[in-house]
Amino acid sequence: DGGITQSPKYLFRKEGQNVTLSCEQNLNHDAMYWYRQDPGQGLRLIYYSQIVNDFQKGDIAEGYSVSREKKESFPLTVTSAQKNPTAFYLCASSIHLWTGELFFGEGSRLTVL
Amino acid sequence: AQSVTQLGSHVSVSEGALVLLRCNYSSSVPPYLFWYVQYPNQGLQLLLKYTSAATLVKGINGFEAEFKKSETSFHLTKPSAHMSDAAEYFCAVRNTGNQFYFGTGTSLTVIP
Repeated sequence: DGGITQSPKYLFRKEGQNVTLSCEQNLNHDAMYWYRQDPGQGLRLIYYSQIVNDFQKGDIAEGYSVSREKKESFPLTVTSAQKNPTAFYLCASSIHLWTGELFFGEGSRLTVL
Repeated sequence: AQSVTQLGSHVSVSEGALVLLRCNYSSSVPPYLFWYVQYPNQGLQLLLKYTSAATLVKGINGFEAEFKKSETSFHLTKPSAHMSDAAEYFCAVRNTGNQFYFGTGTSLTVIP
């Protein structure tokens, strides 16, 4: 079955540490996205990528970084510069940028201790 | 600018009762509209989408939504609630070539 796989499902981090969240898709989609979800705030766009080796900042990119070296993969690094990193992170993809609907992974919950 | 407003962050219905979740949007041009469902600690799953083909859209699990341009609304309904419908529901809007904008979500509780 095609889909999006995020790992790890749960992650704990000490303050000052960088962490990387994995996102892999086998849907052959060109576009991939990272969203942050906080209670009562809906989904906010962190970064997005239209094609390999191209990515753009979303609405809340500060303290985050991404790479897109392969079409299937779009990892997100939460750096120590992110002031409030505890959240639920969702990776998504669509066939092309801002086209059709978004397909989501199962999410990764990051907790900073 | 686009935005989405979901009225009611929490909705409770009895099992077998009508489910009505409200979504209003603002958009300068006819938008694409979506409803997603999220179960605890899971990703979002598409329930249905409006892409201008028909104003009444049927989705999965018995849900449907009606696009009303005059009211700028896209409310989600289901005639008879089931316990398995308890989840968080998100409305989203997108214009051609523009990003998705999500509402803040409505948590649905189904009372047995």
